[in-house]
Amino acid sequence: DTAVSQTPKYLVTQMGNDKSIKCEQNLGHDTMYWYKQDSKKFLKIMFSYNNKELIINETVPNRFSPKSPDKAHLNLHINSLELGDSAVYFCASSQDPLAGTRRYEQYFGPGTRLTVT
Amino acid sequence: AQSVTQLGSHVSVSEGALVLLRCNYSSSVPPYLFWYVQYPNQGLQLLLKYTSAATLVKGINGFEAEFKKSETSFHLTKPSAHMSDAAEYFCAVSKGTGGTSYGKLTFGQGTILTVHP
Repeated sequence: DTAVSQTPKYLVTQMGNDKSIKCEQNLGHDTMYWYKQDSKKFLKIMFSYNNKELIINETVPNRFSPKSPDKAHLNLHINSLELGDSAVYFCASSQDPLAGTRRYEQYFGPGTRLTVT
Repeated sequence: AQSVTQLGSHVSVSEGALVLLRCNYSSSVPPYLFWYVQYPNQGLQLLLKYTSAATLVKGINGFEAEFKKSETSFHLTKPSAHMSDAAEYFCAVSKGTGGTSYGKLTFGQGTILTVHP
């Protein structure tokens, strides 16, 4: 059973296109996250949702828009893709951070490698 | 603001030797600290976490880490390296509850561990 899944695993597209990455978790968690891992393997949080409500929104271009249809899903839509968007995007989930000592245990998906040409 | 510094982007050990991966943190509040491992082309897996309980924390695969407040360190160790330990290791810090930053992980730059036969 896959705990946190992402689709697609690989995404190759041209500059200017719009693309989406989907994430689903079956852990019953309340909070989901998107991270970006750049070519130097540096990981940085982009967004966090708790029960479908945006709670963390780092300095990310407006071209990136997360959408959470329910607490098990957090999708990432990217408009007008640029070369600099090429990276690996990881989805993660955790229990509500206010829900006790397990709150910071984040479970990561396998990643989506986005290549913009 | 919180930050994490991992000393040494690459560490190489022989099979059976001690593994020591260094992590120092900066935090204005008592931190929660984590070590994650990333195998090639995979997502991140939690190795262990410190959440203000015991300062010596044991994790999976024989790894452990000790929280030293006086040294602001959370170094990861394993007494005897296995070939299967070869991966990239990330130290991460999170701060306390409340506000818009709860649940946010700040990662270090990562340390690639190579294990020689």
